[in-house]
Amino acid sequence: SAVISQKPSRDICQRGTSLTIQCQVDSQVTMMFWYRQQPGQSLTLIATANQGSEATYESGFVIDKFPISRPNLTFSTLTVSNMSPEDSSIYLCSAGTDRANYGYTFGSGTRLTVV
Amino acid sequence: GENVEQHPSTLSVQEGDSAVIKCTYSDSASNYFPWYKQELGKRPQLIIDIRSNVGEKKDQRIAVTLNKTAKHFSLHITETQPEDSAVYFCAASRPNNFNKFYFGSGTKLNVKP
Repeated sequence: SAVISQKPSRDICQRGTSLTIQCQVDSQVTMMFWYRQQPGQSLTLIATANQGSEATYESGFVIDKFPISRPNLTFSTLTVSNMSPEDSSIYLCSAGTDRANYGYTFGSGTRLTVV
Repeated sequence: GENVEQHPSTLSVQEGDSAVIKCTYSDSASNYFPWYKQELGKRPQLIIDIRSNVGEKKDQRIAVTLNKTAKHFSLHITETQPEDSAVYFCAASRPNNFNKFYFGSGTKLNVKP
């Protein structure tokens, strides 16, 4: 399975600023996703990062707030824009191929605190 | 979209006992059901999965069962050990949907030595 490096691992940011999270996979993957996990809660899918085209966002998430890039098959970024304390959370990327459904690998996560 | 419900939210067992976690899903087209284990402060790790063409799958002390008619699936851990203590998440996905996973709310398993 793919190995994912995610950075930064944590950050404390001022409200109103933006943070870009990077996700690097050690092999080419078809699918990359971004999730948010509030402390002690489940994983909520933010969007599917599509290579070479605009990301597909889930209900409740918009491109202006969470712009995503995916320039190639091994790399993606998620930006959390104009941050507020409500954006404090853990953000995780996930990656895999779409061959015959199988579980995807997760990055180690970015713990974001907005003050 | 898919709605996955998971029970119980917390489960405490004595070391050596069995633990069962149950999930239901709403989308009858869902055909793939992975289970993830997340230890405190770490990333979710895939521990077992099942596809809709089988009813049960086993891997050493863990097993998963699927009832497509009732739209529910369960994780069974036998001979629990303290290192099994973690949060477990079930998930469901369906074909032709970019393989997106919809996760259950999680079960915090505590195995008491």
